[in-house]
Amino acid sequence: RKEVEQDPGPFNVPEGATVAFNCTYSNSASQSFFWYRQDCRKEPKLLMSVYSSGNEDGRFTAQLNRASQYISLLIRDSKLSDSATYLCVSKAAGNKLTFGGGTRVLVKP
Amino acid sequence: NAGVTQTPKFQVLKTGQSMTLQCAQDMNHEYMSWYRQDPGMGLRLIHYSVGAGITDQGEVPNGYNVSRSTTEDFPLRLLSAAPSQTSVYFCASSYGAGADTQYFGPGTRLTVL
Repeated sequence: RKEVEQDPGPFNVPEGATVAFNCTYSNSASQSFFWYRQDCRKEPKLLMSVYSSGNEDGRFTAQLNRASQYISLLIRDSKLSDSATYLCVSKAAGNKLTFGGGTRVLVKP
Repeated sequence: NAGVTQTPKFQVLKTGQSMTLQCAQDMNHEYMSWYRQDPGMGLRLIHYSVGAGITDQGEVPNGYNVSRSTTEDFPLRLLSAAPSQTSVYFCASSYGAGADTQYFGPGTRLTVL
């Protein structure tokens, strides 16, 4: 079993709709979590950190559920420019980063 | 600032050839790392460095060497290329090993025939 697992998608989303997807992690000692965005054939870039209390950045909301060991990302009012692959990342002791395989989101007009 | 730069962008090698992937950053970051990205596998850590003169192995180090003679540069050497090393390679840097934000270079697409 992969340490960080994501539904690869693609999630086909009409422009303006809301989309949400999860990422599960198996290492209960993971200390912090992040969502990175990766455009096609580009490098990953930090989208947002995920805090225990959940956090929101504009149209993006991230949640952490430690009991069930998953994090989620919700995108409201989807824009065409939100089309990308979203990488879930966990950080454990020793600053070890583990990346999920990514969830592809396609926003269509 | 140029951020993190990588060269070359694309490379085709024959099995058994060696080459060096270059990575440089101009942000005075202490921590640098190399990842490979394969379809459906996520990014996997090859080697990392917490400062000049210090390197260590990551998850998939076999077949690769690194050195860190300066803060700015962190080259990755493929000793004897194999088709299994066909991948996209990303270099990343951050202020420290514990920093939340990793800054990635644009990547090198390597094909080994």
